[in-house]
Amino acid sequence: QVQLQESGPRLVKPAQTLYLTCAVSGDSISSGSYYWSWIRQPAGKGLEWIGRLYASGTTTYNPSLESRVTILLDTSKNQFSLKLRSVTAADAALYFCARTPLYCGSGVCYLGAFDVWGQGAMVTVSS
Amino acid sequence: DIQMTQSPSSLSASVGDRVTITCRASQSISNYLHWYQQKPGKAPKLLIHAVSILQSGVPSRFSGGGSGTDFTLTISRLQLEDFATYFCQQSFSPPHTFGQGTNLEIK
Repeated sequence: QVQLQESGPRLVKPAQTLYLTCAVSGDSISSGSYYWSWIRQPAGKGLEWIGRLYASGTTTYNPSLESRVTILLDTSKNQFSLKLRSVTAADAALYFCARTPLYCGSGVCYLGAFDVWGQGAMVTVSS
Repeated sequence: DIQMTQSPSSLSASVGDRVTITCRASQSISNYLHWYQQKPGKAPKLLIHAVSILQSGVPSRFSGGGSGTDFTLTISRLQLEDFATYFCQQSFSPPHTFGQGTNLEIK
């Protein structure tokens, strides 16, 4: 059974960098069968996809955050990380990591849904 | 970006009722449409993927339909544990956007 667990500082000062990691257990992050994403949810609001990572290290980011975001793979620890630079109060949110299956057949591949989620990490931005 | 619009934003219903939530995409997303249930302080839970495929372990009272730009989530006989917030989401193209959510409350 695959499990994801977010960890990292829960209080970040304005203008500094938010850093979270997502530890994956029960599956290899390098298997190539999944994409690995970060998603966030400000208190009382909806869900915003931040970006994703594939086993090759290839990343895709939400254009709204792309200038400030880096998602990296750490195969030695079977985890991936999120860095969000120059944070403001608007970046305070519950941050989730999630897995998306990649389905391939007849030379075509497509992404499924976010089928496994971490429990979330609440990050506050305050001096 | 593909915009996902859910309606209604909130809904009051009683145990045993049948309810339907709709989700409209700003462009065709084929069948790359998924539904999630979220309870306060918890991660979303995948209910239905690819429009109508029930995730393992999800009760059969949940069903999904639609195609192209218009989709529905139906709960046939509401149970107490179904009162939650529901989101749709597209995986057709990044950024993978979500609907704004539908808050299902007890009447």
